[in-house]
Amino acid sequence: AQSVAQPEDQVNVAEGNPLTVKCTYSVSGNPYLFWYVQYPNRGLQFLLKYITGDNLVKGSYGFEAEFNKSQTSFHLKKPSALVSDSALYFCAVRVGTGGFKTIFGAGTRLFVKA
Amino acid sequence: GAVVSQHPSRVICKSGTSVKIECRSLDFQATTMFWYRQFPKQSLMLMATSNEGSKATYEQGVEKDKFLINHASLTLSTLTVASAHPEDSSFYICSARTDYPDTEAFFGQGTRLTVV
Repeated sequence: AQSVAQPEDQVNVAEGNPLTVKCTYSVSGNPYLFWYVQYPNRGLQFLLKYITGDNLVKGSYGFEAEFNKSQTSFHLKKPSALVSDSALYFCAVRVGTGGFKTIFGAGTRLFVKA
Repeated sequence: GAVVSQHPSRVICKSGTSVKIECRSLDFQATTMFWYRQFPKQSLMLMATSNEGSKATYEQGVEKDKFLINHASLTLSTLTVASAHPEDSSFYICSARTDYPDTEAFFGQGTRLTVV
């Protein structure tokens, strides 16, 4: 079955420190991987995606993610966290054809302390 | 990125009434639109996938007679919650994407439905 796992319910970091939000996936074929961020009572905002090419993908707001095929991971990273980065982060994988459903991980809540 | 507008952002209705939620792609033509439901502190659950001019494809366990989806044009999809009950209270989110060019999905801002 195709799935996405985010092993951490919550990640706490201090402002200015690097952050990592973990994601692993299980899909058949080549994966299309995404990261989205959600603020309270809002929809999802697209951060970045990996489809092909360079394993290190740079996205919005200074975030980046590294695609690791051997470990089937797509961890989200940022060199220096901001308090405003505190939000709910979702890893997602696109599956199927003719419509391309997107399956989401459970989400990881990031808390950045000042 | 592309803009997807969802309306209303918040609605409160009485039990037994029907509620319609609109999802519009403002600056692109959406080949496919998706409807999700999100419970508090949980992930998004895909309810259905709709393509313009054809019937929606519902995920297992989603009642198609309860959650009516119409994708009348390439820029508009609607979700109608028929005869809403308190257990239908939730956060509903739509998303839209195109095949040509191939894009990621863009999300609406969500609708908070409260059935009293």
